[in-house]
Amino acid sequence: EAQVTQNPRYLITVTGKKLTVTCSQNMNHEYMSWYRQDPGLGLRQIYYSMNVEVTDKGDVPEGYKVSRKEKRNFPLILESPSPNQTSLYFCASRILSGNIGELFFGEGSRLTVL
Amino acid sequence: GNSVTQMEGPVTLSEEAFLTINCTYTATGYPSLFWYVQYPGEGLQLLLKATKADDKGSNKGFEATYRKETTSFHLEKGSVQVSDSAVYFCALRRWRLSDRKGGSQGNLIFGKGTKLSVKP
Repeated sequence: EAQVTQNPRYLITVTGKKLTVTCSQNMNHEYMSWYRQDPGLGLRQIYYSMNVEVTDKGDVPEGYKVSRKEKRNFPLILESPSPNQTSLYFCASRILSGNIGELFFGEGSRLTVL
Repeated sequence: GNSVTQMEGPVTLSEEAFLTINCTYTATGYPSLFWYVQYPGEGLQLLLKATKADDKGSNKGFEATYRKETTSFHLEKGSVQVSDSAVYFCALRRWRLSDRKGGSQGNLIFGKGTKLSVKP
């Protein structure tokens, strides 16, 4: 089954404790992206990647890091989480060629930073 | 710059009512337009799309027409069901000259979402 898998789905942590949210897709997609969803703000892009070892900032990259060492994986790293990073996070992927590629989303990771 | 504006929610309707969720956009070039739907507890999934002016996207009884003259892509459904309760996102993908060569580097820009609740 084609899917984007995120882990963990739910996490409560404390300020400053490094954490990683993993994302893996099994569709051989070149493009992967991270979004955060907040009430009243919709989805905002954090980082994206066009292919292995190619990453770029989205609209709200501050406080986050990513890496793309393998095509299928695109982890989101919070080196020193803060309460304003409490949010619902989505990973997504799609093929790169063409202008119509559907974006496939994971089920989301709800993060609470105390 | 590029942006998407959609009507504020929440929208509450009775079953079998007519639905319209307004979406307007600002973009340079020729964006592709999308509606994504998010059911409770799930990630977003593509509902329908349109790539050029006057295109009509349709799926699951939902329709939206790409209106370049009014820069709009309103979502409509003639008769909603309880199972349509979800959050709906309008989105555009920026078009850039490099896209003509086959490689699309456009990121999606989403509206803020409109929550729809359908009551039996």
